[in-house]
Amino acid sequence: NAGVTQTPKFRILKIGQSMTLQCTQDMNHNYMYWYRQDPGMGLKLIYYSVGAGITDKGEVPNGYNVSRSTTEDFPLRLELAAPSQTSVYFCASSYSPEAGNTIYFGEGSWLTVV
Amino acid sequence: GQSLEQPSEVTAVEGAIVQINCTYQTSGFYGLSWYQQHDGGAPTFLSYNALDGLEETGRFSSFLSRSDSYGYLLLQELQMKDSASYFCAGGQGYSSASKIIFGSGTRLSIRP
Repeated sequence: NAGVTQTPKFRILKIGQSMTLQCTQDMNHNYMYWYRQDPGMGLKLIYYSVGAGITDKGEVPNGYNVSRSTTEDFPLRLELAAPSQTSVYFCASSYSPEAGNTIYFGEGSWLTVV
Repeated sequence: GQSLEQPSEVTAVEGAIVQINCTYQTSGFYGLSWYQQHDGGAPTFLSYNALDGLEETGRFSSFLSRSDSYGYLLLQELQMKDSASYFCAGGQGYSSASKIIFGSGTRLSIRP
C-alpha cells in the first residue's frame, strides 16, 4: 500500500531557484493538501484541492503554486525560492471532511533554501 | 477567521493520565480530529469527533463540545512512546470548499 508518496525527500535550493515537489496518492481521494511545518511549529495549509481541476488557497499560499490535473497528482511549485521557504513540506489526502476527517500524510520533504 | 488553540507543552509521568485541550474558532465547522507526530515523522490520525461527546479508542479518548467550541484528547496509561506532538485539527467550510486547519500543536513529554 503506497498511500501518499512525495518526492524529493531532501533538497537544497539556492535563493531564486524554482522547483516542484511531487505528490501522488493511490487511494482515489478527492481531497488533497499541501502543508508546511517550520521547526517546532504546527502545520500551515498552503493550498488544497477538492478534486481534479479545482484548487484553492490555504493559510500561506504566497510564493507557491499548485495544479490538479488528475485525481492522483497534486504537485507544489516553488517559484523564486526564498530562505523563508525553508521548511518541511507535507502532502496529504483524504476521502472527504465529512468522512471522519482522516488525513493521510506523505513522509515529508525537507527543503532548505540558502 | 479560523484558529485552533492548544497549549504548547505538557509534561506527565509514565502510567499517568494527561488531557490536552483545544479551543477553536471556525466557521462551517465539521468536527475535531487529533493527530500524533513523532520527531522527524509525519502526522498520523488518532481520533475524530463529529458530534458532541466522548469517543474512545483504546488508551486514547477524545471529547467535543460544540456549544463551548472546545475539545480535548485524553491519553491514559501513558507510555514513553507517547512522547510526541499532538495536534487538533478542524474541518472548515462547506462541502465544495472544505479545508482542514491544524492547531499549533502540544508537545507531550513523559517522565519515567
